[in-house]
Amino acid sequence: NAGVTQTPKFQVLKTGQSMTLQCAQDMNHEYMSWYRQDPGMGLRLIHYSVGAGITDQGEVPNGYNVSRSTTEDFPLRLLSAAPSQTSVYFCASSTGRNQPQHFGDGTRLSIL
Amino acid sequence: GDSVTQMEGPVTLSEEAFLTINCTYTATGYPSLFWYVQYPGEGLQLLLKATKADDKGSNKGFEATYRKETTSFHLEKGSVQVSDSAVYFCALSDQAGNMLTFGGGTRLMVKP
Repeated sequence: NAGVTQTPKFQVLKTGQSMTLQCAQDMNHEYMSWYRQDPGMGLRLIHYSVGAGITDQGEVPNGYNVSRSTTEDFPLRLLSAAPSQTSVYFCASSTGRNQPQHFGDGTRLSIL
Repeated sequence: GDSVTQMEGPVTLSEEAFLTINCTYTATGYPSLFWYVQYPGEGLQLLLKATKADDKGSNKGFEATYRKETTSFHLEKGSVQVSDSAVYFCALSDQAGNMLTFGGGTRLMVKP
C-alpha cells in the first residue's frame, strides 16, 4: 500500500517557468489537499478537494491551480513561478471531514 | 479566522525527561484537535487526536487533553526517548471539516 505519492521530490525552477507537482493516493480517499511548509509558519492550505470534480481555495491559493478529474490524482500547477513560492509542498488525503490526514513525503521546490 | 499558537522551539531535553509542548487555539464552534509529528525528511504523521471537550488523545506514550475552557491542547509525555526527536505540530479542523489550520511547529531534540 503506497499511500500518498508525490513527484518529484526535488525541483529547481527559474522565475516565470511553469510546472506541475503530482500527487496520487491509492486509498480511495475523497478528500485531498495541498499545503506549503515554510520555516516557522507551519503548514498553510493552498487548495483542497472534497471529491472528483470539486475543488476549493484554501488560505494561500494565489499563483496555484488544481484540478481533480479522478479520485486518485490531485495535481498542483504553478502558472508562473516566483521566488516567493520556494517552499516544501505536501499533498494529503483523508476519508472525510475531521478525519486524520495522510501526508506524502513532500516536494522541495526552489525558484531562482 | 481560526488560529493555532504553539510554544517556540527548539526544546532540548535529556532522555527520560518529562515533555510538555503547549498549544492554544482560537476557533468558532467545536473544532477537532490534532497533534502531528514530522521526522526528518518525511511528511507529517498523525500522532493523536481529540474531537470534543475533555477528550484525551493518546498514542506511543504521548497524551493531550481537549480543554475548551482554556482553549488548549497541550502535548505531554512522561519519559522521552532519543527517537522522539522530531518537529511536532498542533492543528485544528474547522467546523466543516474541510481544512486544517496548523501551528508553527515545535522542534524537539532529545539527547542521550
